[in-house]
Amino acid sequence: EVQLVESGGGLVQPGRSLRLSCAASGFTFDDYAMHWVRQAPGKGLEWVSGISWNSGSIGYADSVKGRFTISRDNAKNSLYLQMNSLRAEDTALYYCAKGDYGDYQSTGAFDIWGQGTMVTVSS
Amino acid sequence: EIVLTQSPGTLSLSPGERATLSCRASQSVSSSYLAWYQQKPGQAPRLLIYGASSRATGIPDRFSGSGSGTDFTLTISRLEPEDFAVYYCQQYGSSSWTFGQGTKVEIK
Repeated sequence: EVQLVESGGGLVQPGRSLRLSCAASGFTFDDYAMHWVRQAPGKGLEWVSGISWNSGSIGYADSVKGRFTISRDNAKNSLYLQMNSLRAEDTALYYCAKGDYGDYQSTGAFDIWGQGTMVTVSS
Repeated sequence: EIVLTQSPGTLSLSPGERATLSCRASQSVSSSYLAWYQQKPGQAPRLLIYGASSRATGIPDRFSGSGSGTDFTLTISRLEPEDFAVYYCQQYGSSSWTFGQGTKVEIK
């Protein structure tokens, strides 16, 4: 079964850090780009970051550039998101999503999604 | 950044009726990079349509996508009870993916 399982969310104070993880199974992880997409409570979807199959190409939304770092470990079939200098507006459900090609900039659609991990930034 | 505007915001229909959802882009979008998703309460989004008109694996043929340039449409030919949900369009351009604000299809 193709599956993505996120973990690492929680309640964190503004300015602090958090690291999210996504464990993949059921497909050849190192063939595909991977992304993080978030959804604030009651709101729509926002792309956060993407990484190519070999980590050779990476991109970020302007809203998180300079604060978040995406990475992957193909040996562990895992995707990560290091989030620093967190703000209240980063509060959201963070989804891990599989791209449909190896190069993240060729991703036309996100064809597999995890169930998400909730990040709440509040004092 | 390309902005996607979906209409209507809410669509109230009965099971068996046809649903037509619109997604308009602020500038031309490559059809290869236009997708539609369905999201039910408490669930992750599910890919329905990619490349503007290709159904994803396992998606029933009552779902169809069409359009090009700046105007795209998702059509559900006959609504089933499980189709009542929120639908999002999504595009890729200028190194960024953006989503529309969503259309809620509710039971009338």
